[in-house]
Amino acid sequence: AQSVTQLDSQVPVFEEAPVELRCNYSSSVSVYLFWYVQYPNQGLQLLLKYLSGSTLVKGINGFEAEFNKSQTSFHLRKPSVHISDTAEYFCAVRRRYGDYKLSFGAGTTVTVRA
Amino acid sequence: KAGVTQTPRYLIKTRGQQVTLSCSPISGHRSVSWYQQTPGQGLQFLFEYFSETQRNKGNFPGRFSGRQFSNSRSEMNVSTLELGDSALYLCASSVEAGELFFGEGSRLTVL
Repeated sequence: AQSVTQLDSQVPVFEEAPVELRCNYSSSVSVYLFWYVQYPNQGLQLLLKYLSGSTLVKGINGFEAEFNKSQTSFHLRKPSVHISDTAEYFCAVRRRYGDYKLSFGAGTTVTVRA
Repeated sequence: KAGVTQTPRYLIKTRGQQVTLSCSPISGHRSVSWYQQTPGQGLQFLFEYFSETQRNKGNFPGRFSGRQFSNSRSEMNVSTLELGDSALYLCASSVEAGELFFGEGSRLTVL
């Protein structure tokens, strides 16, 4: 089975400051990794994904994440946040083969202040 | 291209009733998955359907069931509702082995 731990439940940050959301995962098999964002009263939107290849993945809205296999981490970063980045962010993992269900972390609420 | 459409968006039921939620996937997507989101348990996998067959099931009681039709549309049903079933139910569709695209969810309140 796969599991995901998001190390911060809440991250307050000032506008134009950088932000990092930490995600560690556990799996005995090869996995794909994802970051999703959820705005209030909405569904989940994919920010970025790691399938293979370069360990630095760039996504939408200026977000990027780095896959570190040795540390089993997939941290999300943005160099300069906006008020509109206020949302909940979920890290998720899925087996590379066979089972397509996503296992999610508990989520990190990012609040951007002016 | 239209996204994943879930209906209804909001509904209120009382304990003991049953509810049916509907999901229309993105055109061409044959896989449909359902997830339950609650403040206490977070996002949990319910089940996945592909070509009208349930391919995977999460750890939920038998009161939770689903089905998929030949046009890939899916429904999930919860019978004998309990207060703890209050949640946001999210549907996601994908092509085989592809990324999941989520709908906006159906928010169920059980009184």
